[in-house]
Amino acid sequence: GAVVSQHPSRVICKSGTSVKIECRSLDFQATTMFWYRQFPKKSLMLMATSNEGSKATYEQGVEKDKFLINHASLTLSTLTVTSAHPEDSSFYICSARDGQYTDTQYFGPGTRLTVL
Amino acid sequence: QKEVEQNSGPLSVPEGAIASLNCTYSDRGSQSFFWYRQYSGKSPELIMSIYSNGDKEDGRFTAQLNKASQYVSLLIRDSQPSDSATYLCAGGGTGGFKTIFGAGTRLFVKA
Repeated sequence: GAVVSQHPSRVICKSGTSVKIECRSLDFQATTMFWYRQFPKKSLMLMATSNEGSKATYEQGVEKDKFLINHASLTLSTLTVTSAHPEDSSFYICSARDGQYTDTQYFGPGTRLTVL
Repeated sequence: QKEVEQNSGPLSVPEGAIASLNCTYSDRGSQSFFWYRQYSGKSPELIMSIYSNGDKEDGRFTAQLNKASQYVSLLIRDSQPSDSATYLCAGGGTGGFKTIFGAGTRLFVKA
């Protein structure tokens, strides 16, 4: 149980385009999902916390207009990188918490974004 | 500033030895603790969670929690080369508190 999927696993796009990444909890309802990015050999960096039906809470320094997050249902959250630039190239990972009263996070497999 | 501190390593152990990974946390309100394993180029995978003082064993893994010392550890017995990865320690509180991740300790198990 507690499986989280992410799609796509890898994406290459041109500078200036927008990219949407989907995160799904497959066998549980996730009231809260999290979006992280990770640069090579660096630690996880939390970008935002996404709660179903409400606006995402962004971490300091993360541009909410550039990284659009939508958590439309208890099993789906999306991250859209708008007007992508080469510096947005990174490994984006989502996670989902499996209940309101637990802090256990299960991670998706990640999406590797390359912006040319 | 709530923090989770880990030695970045690398920690190198021979195959078959016990690997000991340590973590300290600053928030005394933290009630839940987690160890994740992350292979290079992959996302973190949950190994263990621990909520109470003492030891919790699962196969070759033992998590230890000491809330008085604000200290969490992970022991890996009979280490295998396949255990070579970065191990992330995380601490959080129940009811919506943010989970704080450490920067991770790189473990190398030499064959």
